[in-house]
Amino acid sequence: LAKTTQPISMDSYEGQEVNITCSHNNIATNDYITWYQQFPSQGPRFIIQGYKTKVTNEVASLFIPADRKSSTLSLPRVSLSDTAVYYCLVENSGYALNFGKGTSLLVTP
Amino acid sequence: EPEVTQTPSHQVTQMGQEVILRCVPISNHLYFYWYRQILGQKVEFLVSFYNNEISEKSEIFDDQFSVERPDGSNFTLKIRSTKLEDSAMYFCASSPKGTGSYNEQFFGPGTRLTVL
Repeated sequence: LAKTTQPISMDSYEGQEVNITCSHNNIATNDYITWYQQFPSQGPRFIIQGYKTKVTNEVASLFIPADRKSSTLSLPRVSLSDTAVYYCLVENSGYALNFGKGTSLLVTP
Repeated sequence: EPEVTQTPSHQVTQMGQEVILRCVPISNHLYFYWYRQILGQKVEFLVSFYNNEISEKSEIFDDQFSVERPDGSNFTLKIRSTKLEDSAMYFCASSPKGTGSYNEQFFGPGTRLTVL
């Protein structure tokens, strides 16, 4: 099981772009990189998933370099409501999602 | 937009009592899960369920836990004899597929279980 490492916390001002980098040196060939978001007292919510290069949706972008040993979640122009914990997961086989401690993002005015 | 629902939102029980947490997964999903999150800690996988049987479980999911899909819509987690350390937020989730790419799991709002 590939282990992930991400910063414990990050701070940002409203309107800025936030980039959260996750390290996953032991990622396997068949693993996908997935990011979830969790607001206080709520269940996690899927944000984005990718295998390589760049993936973009209406919420975020995910950048994955060629060696796939890291990935960066990019949140454009964050607002106060983006304050949450962001989890980077590496998964393929099995049913369980293995959440780490995540990155606690605080957005202030 | 379809969503996973859970009842009750908060359950208080005495140590040693049995509790049943209920979930209604998204209707066309085939895989169901329970996770828990002790206050201030990470989300932990408990069990996954497919085709009326457990497909995977963690070490946390011991003999005091059981899951059931009693009808076509509900998915329940039973804790037979609650302990103080079972106090946590319990999340139900469902997904249209079990593994591999784009296995997005949809989480419910959670049930906060408090064991006194």
